Amino acid sequence: DADVTQTPRNRITKTGKRIMLECSQTKGHDRMYWYRQDPGLGLRLIYYSFDVKDINKGEISDGYSVSRQAQAKFSLSLESAIPNQTALYFCATQAEGRTGELFFGEGSRLTVL
Amino acid sequence: GEDVEQSLFLSVREGDSSVINCTYTDSSSTYLYWYKQEPGAGLQLLTYIFSNMDMKQDQRLTVLLNKKDKHLSLRIADTQTGDSAIYFCAESSPGRSGYSTLTFGKGTMLLVSP
Repeated sequence: DADVTQTPRNRITKTGKRIMLECSQTKGHDRMYWYRQDPGLGLRLIYYSFDVKDINKGEISDGYSVSRQAQAKFSLSLESAIPNQTALYFCATQAEGRTGELFFGEGSRLTVL
Repeated sequence: GEDVEQSLFLSVREGDSSVINCTYTDSSSTYLYWYKQEPGAGLQLLTYIFSNMDMKQDQRLTVLLNKKDKHLSLRIADTQTGDSAIYFCAESSPGRSGYSTLTFGKGTMLLVSP
């Protein structure tokens, strides 16, 4: 089983709909991230969380919100989806220690029509 | 802010060596990373190098770091079709609570032809 699991893996929705992407991890890491990937733009950070009570905005947080329900769960919401939010979304956890390795889920592909 | 730049595309023939280059701007970078993303998958750490090292070798992979020029490269020897993927360069700098904050480049798509 994957250490970082994202659901759904694929979702097609319409403009204006509310969408939630969920992430769960079994690595026991405190720090979790949400990124979006767009062709030619690489990975851009949306939100990150140090622990259940610590949520931080990334470089492109507008239009998104997050919830850290437990150490193992970090969900990303689009309150009113728009077409330019069509992208591949990745959840990641971060190991403690100096190397700070990130462990990624397999991604959630979202299409907003 | 920090910036990481890399070329977007590289095409090589099977058996040749591949060299993917990256430049970064943050002089306080402590670790530099190469992540690999295969089609339909998430990113996986390929290798990393500590900022006080010049070179790291791991089987077919050689990482070279020129800290003065803030230049990082990844060389893949005897490139195989299975090496076709997107390769992301990333750098980390000290952050809060002992964690590092990573900044990623846009990724280099490596295409290996038979």
